[in-house]
Amino acid sequence: EAGVTQFPSHSVIEKGQTVTLRCDPISGHDNLYWYRRVMGKEIKFLLHFVKESKQDESGMPNNRFLAERTGGTYSTLKVQPAELEDSGVYFCASSQGGGVTEAFFGQGTRLTVV
Amino acid sequence: GDSVTQMEGPVTLSEEAFLTINCTYTATGYPSLFWYVQYPGEGLQLLLKATKADDKGSNKGFEATYRKETTSFHLEKGSVQVSDSAVYFCALFKTGGFKTIFGAGTRLFVKA
Repeated sequence: EAGVTQFPSHSVIEKGQTVTLRCDPISGHDNLYWYRRVMGKEIKFLLHFVKESKQDESGMPNNRFLAERTGGTYSTLKVQPAELEDSGVYFCASSQGGGVTEAFFGQGTRLTVV
Repeated sequence: GDSVTQMEGPVTLSEEAFLTINCTYTATGYPSLFWYVQYPGEGLQLLLKATKADDKGSNKGFEATYRKETTSFHLEKGSVQVSDSAVYFCALFKTGGFKTIFGAGTRLFVKA
């Protein structure tokens, strides 16, 4: 069974440009999460989808970040316009519904804004 | 709210030394506990986990025991290698729950 897959693995963009990150969760997982680790600091929660609905977006830093999960399958996270402080590693995770005990993480997208 | 606290780094050890990275948590209910590792330039990997009190997770020579009485999940390894140099994250996830909560991460350097 395929794990959580993220694209691209690395992205280098200039300040002010737009970048879109993609996450393909494990098939059948209703829950999808985005996290990020910036500047070598802690891994912070960004938001949580249940199917196509945003369950919790309390961690989204500002309105330059837009996450979508159309159809409840893959998700995209768009940063527009990107700023230098957005550089970091963005992780996606997914989990089944119900009484699950863990989420499964992708390998992350390393974003560098120059 | 729920939180995870782990020892600050960096931790620098010589090869074959004993490693302990302390982790304590605060959570309502009965979370599952995890250690994740991020090697330089790589993604986040699950190192080990424990889903209930007194469980011991183990992998690659690393161990951690879920201690409910002390709300701890300390990571240990008897003999570290240079290849263990990485950032280690302690984390919790509540059953049926909604997000993984991470500690701040501990960077480990192992010298040859």
